[in-house]
Amino acid sequence: SQQGEEDPQALSIQEGENATMNCSYKTSINNLQWYRQNSGRGLVHLILIRSNEREKHSGRLRVTLDTSKKSSSLLITASRAADTASYFCATDLGYNFGTGTSLTVIP
Amino acid sequence: GAGVSQTPSNKVTEKGKYVELRCDPISGHTALYWYRQSLGQGPEFLIYFQGTGAADDSGLPNDRFFAVRPEGSVSTLKIQRTERGDSAVYLCASSLNGVGGNEQFFGPGTRLTVL
Repeated sequence: SQQGEEDPQALSIQEGENATMNCSYKTSINNLQWYRQNSGRGLVHLILIRSNEREKHSGRLRVTLDTSKKSSSLLITASRAADTASYFCATDLGYNFGTGTSLTVIP
Repeated sequence: GAGVSQTPSNKVTEKGKYVELRCDPISGHTALYWYRQSLGQGPEFLIYFQGTGAADDSGLPNDRFFAVRPEGSVSTLKIQRTERGDSAVYLCASSLNGVGGNEQFFGPGTRLTVL
């Protein structure tokens, strides 16, 4: 099994700004998923991108995947205070999570 | 049910005791996952069920941990001779099936504290 690793570990931005976080992994994948976890709660699935896709959008979220660099990025546009959470990536069967990026959006 | 439920929400036990944690997945979901999460860390995979069978139990830390899913629905995670290091939030998730990385739906977790 393999694990995605997110960076930065922590990110603090002003409301309205964009937030970008990255995920790197080590071996070939079939897909990559991003999840959000609000403090004290379970994880919520955000988006899945397959290995043959380069970019995917969902509302204010944009995910890119570069299989040659074994990396993915999650962009949250026009951030809101409610986006404050930890964000995790997971690869393939989706049960190998990294340590996450803790995002704080300051109102 | 409407979502994944876990009981109890909190469990405090003494070192050396036995505990059982229950997970009720979304009806019809064949895949079920157990994780544990410590403060500031990501979910640590424990075990994955496809139907009644454990498809991958490589994350179970030692033989004190065991999980069952006898009818392919509800699952119980069992921890024997608990240690203080077992204290964590235990998360359960289910997905429609485990193929191709389906979206996982997580429960709220059980916070286990071993004194």
